[in-house]
Amino acid sequence: KAGVTQTPRYLIKTRGQQVTLSCSPISGHRSVSWYQQTPGQGLQFLFEYFSETQRNKGNFPGRFSGRQFSNSRSEMNVSTLELGDSALYLCASSHSGYEQYFGPGTRLTVT
Amino acid sequence: ELKVEQNPLFLSMQEGKNYTIYCNYSTTSDRLYWYRQDPGKSLESLFVLLSNGAVKQEGRLMASLDTKARLSTLHITAAVHDLSATYFCAVENDKIIFGKGTRLHILP
Repeated sequence: KAGVTQTPRYLIKTRGQQVTLSCSPISGHRSVSWYQQTPGQGLQFLFEYFSETQRNKGNFPGRFSGRQFSNSRSEMNVSTLELGDSALYLCASSHSGYEQYFGPGTRLTVT
Repeated sequence: ELKVEQNPLFLSMQEGKNYTIYCNYSTTSDRLYWYRQDPGKSLESLFVLLSNGAVKQEGRLMASLDTKARLSTLHITAAVHDLSATYFCAVENDKIIFGKGTRLHILP
């Protein structure tokens, strides 16, 4: 079974731009969660999608948004990028909200 | 608000020694997870603990859960260099909250 895939793996953007990250879950998994990992704040929950509906949201500003498609693939979007958005963005999928399997991450650098 | 505290945050130990990482959390929880992360890599699931008194073991790692004390432990037996990594606990009730991680460095 293929694992969770994330694209792109690395990204460099400029302040003020927007970015879209993609996550393809393990086949059959309907839940996709997104996390931001930084050295200072650690791993922070962004949001969770299940069957195209946002089921939970972390404490991030509205510049962070996401969506899930009917094939369970998910995208997250960050608008008006700030330097502090530089991070490793991890996506995890699970079957019915049980054990999560993480993708390799997208490393975003904002300059 | 659910808070998760791990300690220690950094641990340097000799091969062959035993040690324990602690994970305390502030409110009742549905599940507790332990993950491993190698530098520059993603998270690998180690254990999922579902109920009070749950104990799971894989190789030199053993995790346990005491829901009354809101405490989980990850015990390392006879550490080897390959276990050097950062270990995270994560607690779920409404959403999943991670501890800050324990960076484990095992000296040969």
